[in-house]
Amino acid sequence: QSALTQPPSVSGSPGQSVTISCTGSSSDIGNYNRVSWYQQPPGTAPKLMIYEVSNRPSGVPDRFSGSKSGNTASLTISGLQAEDEADYYCISYTSTNTFVLFGGGTKLTVL
Amino acid sequence: EVQLVQSGAEVKKPGESLKISCKGYGYSFTSYWIGWVRQMPGKGLDWMGTIYPGDSDTKYSPSFQGQVTISADKSITTAYLQWGSLKASDTAMYFCARLFDYDLRAMDVWGQGTTVTVSS
Repeated sequence: QSALTQPPSVSGSPGQSVTISCTGSSSDIGNYNRVSWYQQPPGTAPKLMIYEVSNRPSGVPDRFSGSKSGNTASLTISGLQAEDEADYYCISYTSTNTFVLFGGGTKLTVL
Repeated sequence: EVQLVQSGAEVKKPGESLKISCKGYGYSFTSYWIGWVRQMPGKGLDWMGTIYPGDSDTKYSPSFQGQVTISADKSITTAYLQWGSLKASDTAMYFCARLFDYDLRAMDVWGQGTTVTVSS
């Protein structure tokens, strides 16, 4: 069982929006704005999509956005495209001795 | 171009030792932490640990402490992950990644991955 909880799967049709949640605790997401999100298409390495809750690295489309409320961070993908189909993972700073926490991953299917 | 290039796929027998590598290009290797991440077949990402090549300060996930050794040789801008005695359960893809900001724990550059297969 992963330290951060993500839904196993989400789906949406092209052009729609989907939101992926990532729930932690007051030791991580709840008290620190240090959440990042990663996209991993099948057979490839993860790619950074969002850092510090809502910041996008250069080159990441603005269709990808991040937010946080309480102990839950969220990744929203608007205007879904077929190329967005991938696994998505959240990562958070933690004040515990584990250094960093990973979510279990969410499989996004574009219908 | 900033990149991390990992060593090739390995096939080993249980009980054998192994050291895989991750070479950094295009940036100051000694100024960024390098992390290692495991992905077992069909599963999610697992944090293993991290090293700061500048002074070899190393931090392990409690789940991997004592199971693997993380090291680095800054003279050749390379980080390593090694096992003393492999088990079948070590079969996985292993990624290295650069922590672009230590406090944020965010990883902006990833290696292509090294597949390790342990089978008798």
